[in-house]
Amino acid sequence: AQKITQTQPGMFVQEKEAVTLDCTYDTSDQSYGLFWYKQPSSGEMIFLIYQGSYDEQNATEGRYSLNFQKARKSANLVISASQLGDSAMYFCAMRGMDSSYKLIFGSGTRLLVRP
Amino acid sequence: SAVISQKPSRDICQRGTSLTIQCQVDSQVTMMFWYRQQPGQSLTLIATANQGSEATYESGFVIDKFPISRPNLTFSTLTVSNMSPEDSSIYLCSVLAWDRGLKLFFGEGSRLTVL
Repeated sequence: AQKITQTQPGMFVQEKEAVTLDCTYDTSDQSYGLFWYKQPSSGEMIFLIYQGSYDEQNATEGRYSLNFQKARKSANLVISASQLGDSAMYFCAMRGMDSSYKLIFGSGTRLLVRP
Repeated sequence: SAVISQKPSRDICQRGTSLTIQCQVDSQVTMMFWYRQQPGQSLTLIATANQGSEATYESGFVIDKFPISRPNLTFSTLTVSNMSPEDSSIYLCSVLAWDRGLKLFFGEGSRLTVL
């Protein structure tokens, strides 16, 4: 069975600093994908970044990067130069490479950026 | 990526009534999903909406309570039937689309409050 664990229910970061949000996963699949989504108070889910299990390089998307450590089964999200608009819930998710394409979500981390 | 529109964005409903949520995508997509997010919780998959056939429901969700239609490759509806306060949630439509890899994108969500 697949499982995603986010151990930080809440995090604070000072504006303009970097922050790391933790995510560990458990799967027996050899091939899988890892996602991070941002959910502001409006409720929409905004796709941030994706890492495939066979990708050799860590994914980056602008200020977002994914610190992928396959042996440790961790996929931490790093946000550089935090902005006030980064305050939101952040969800890590995983899907196996079966035909269902279903996502399993972690419990989320609430990030608050202080001015 | 796909642009996904959901209606209504929010609603307040009376106990015992039913509400239908619409999801429109700006391009044809093979796979569409419906998720539920109860207050303060993570996302849980309700079902996969299959075009031209009955939806595939996850454990704990049944067709009588959450009937789903998928008449074509760009549109789906989710009905929440005989609502109770426990159904107060954000309901999110999501689609699988290609954007430098197959990824799951979400609509802006429909926030339902049942009184």
